[in-house]
Amino acid sequence: TQLLEQSPQFLSIQEGENLTVYCNSSSVFSSLQWYRQEPGEGPVLLVTVVTGGEVKKLKRLTFQFGDARKDSSLHITAAQPGDTGLYLCAGGTNAGKSTFGDGTTLTVKP
Amino acid sequence: EPEVTQTPSHQVTQMGQEVILRCVPISNHLYFYWYRQILGQKVEFLVSFYNNEISEKSEIFDDQFSVERPDGSNFTLKIRSTKLEDSAMYFCAKKTSGHGNEQFFGPGTRLTVL
Repeated sequence: TQLLEQSPQFLSIQEGENLTVYCNSSSVFSSLQWYRQEPGEGPVLLVTVVTGGEVKKLKRLTFQFGDARKDSSLHITAAQPGDTGLYLCAGGTNAGKSTFGDGTTLTVKP
Repeated sequence: EPEVTQTPSHQVTQMGQEVILRCVPISNHLYFYWYRQILGQKVEFLVSFYNNEISEKSEIFDDQFSVERPDGSNFTLKIRSTKLEDSAMYFCAKKTSGHGNEQFFGPGTRLTVL
């Protein structure tokens, strides 16, 4: 069974601080996605990483896929209150199911 | 990327009743998925549907569950005899071909079984 562990589970920081969220597994994934989910809504795709060692940037968000394609990180620079939300990582095989982590609940205080 | 829509947004039913959750409209995508999320828990895979047939299903997706594309566009999840523990958010998702396994999720249907 493929499992994804996210850490930390909860993170509360002040506006302007930097943070990193981690997503780790003992399994290899063909790709890994990061989603953001608001309460009562569906996950919204942020990024997909496919190649080991790949780094993608989305404004103040930087995503990295581990060399062995077993882990990933999400780094947010100068966090803003609008970044508050639940961040999910998900890994899967091509055209197959996605296995989700438990999520990291981020709170950015003004 | 076109939106995925789901109806109803909220369904309340009595234990033992049948419910049908709908994912509409669907463009010409080949891969569809159903996931569920019990309140406060992680998103869990239920079933994947490719080329009009089930390609993979989880242990959760037992004989009480079924999926269909009844008219070639709508994608439905049926629970034949609901149980209290079926109460959850149910998400439909679609995938375009290529580019890894990135999936686009609908807003979900909140199912409450009383």
